[in-house]
Amino acid sequence: DQQVKQNSPSLSVQEGRISILNCDYTNSMFDYFLWYKKYPAEGPTFLISISSIKDKNEDGRFTVFLNKSAKHLSLHIVPSQPGDSAVYFCAAEHGSSNTGKLIFGQGTTLQVKP
Amino acid sequence: GAGVSQSPSNKVTEKGKDVELRCDPISGHTALYWYRQSLGQGLEFLIYFQGNSAPDKSGLPSDRFSAERTGGSVSTLTIQRTQQEDSAVYLCAIPQAPGEKLFFGSGTQLSVL
Repeated sequence: DQQVKQNSPSLSVQEGRISILNCDYTNSMFDYFLWYKKYPAEGPTFLISISSIKDKNEDGRFTVFLNKSAKHLSLHIVPSQPGDSAVYFCAAEHGSSNTGKLIFGQGTTLQVKP
Repeated sequence: GAGVSQSPSNKVTEKGKDVELRCDPISGHTALYWYRQSLGQGLEFLIYFQGNSAPDKSGLPSDRFSAERTGGSVSTLTIQRTQQEDSAVYLCAIPQAPGEKLFFGSGTQLSVL
């Protein structure tokens, strides 16, 4: 049972345009959501997060939006840069678990073309 | 990442052999996680250690997988009688600070031929 889903395996955008990566979840008990970025041969690195009490969090070129009623979150990157090309994973945490264990989606490979 | 050292970085083994993967976090972290990323798959939780508590082994895919953490620091993940479907990147992670988001090592790329 895939509790966190990223239905688009890949996305290609032109440099300078907006990249929108989507993520859906099924467990209404998730209360904290994160995005990680992964380059080849490296471990995933934390990018941005959002608590379920918010619907938007912004950090520079990166903005995460949360729609709790739809159980959907998205990551916007604007403007996109070639260095943003990587695999992006969304992740969710069950607040009451108190373990810090994250449930990840399958990942979306973003390619930003110069 | 600098806070977590994993070895080996690459491991090629024959089907049926046992392998041992190592995670060496910087000291002071009581929590430690193992994940794996199979080709085309997301990051799959395997096991979680927290201090002296019994580990959460709910993500281990079969009884061929086991992990231990000795002395609250180094952790080893052992896969017995490896199968081709075990081929994946095995990642170790620690919280960046107590209660904080996870910080991942660079992983071990395991290839089972």
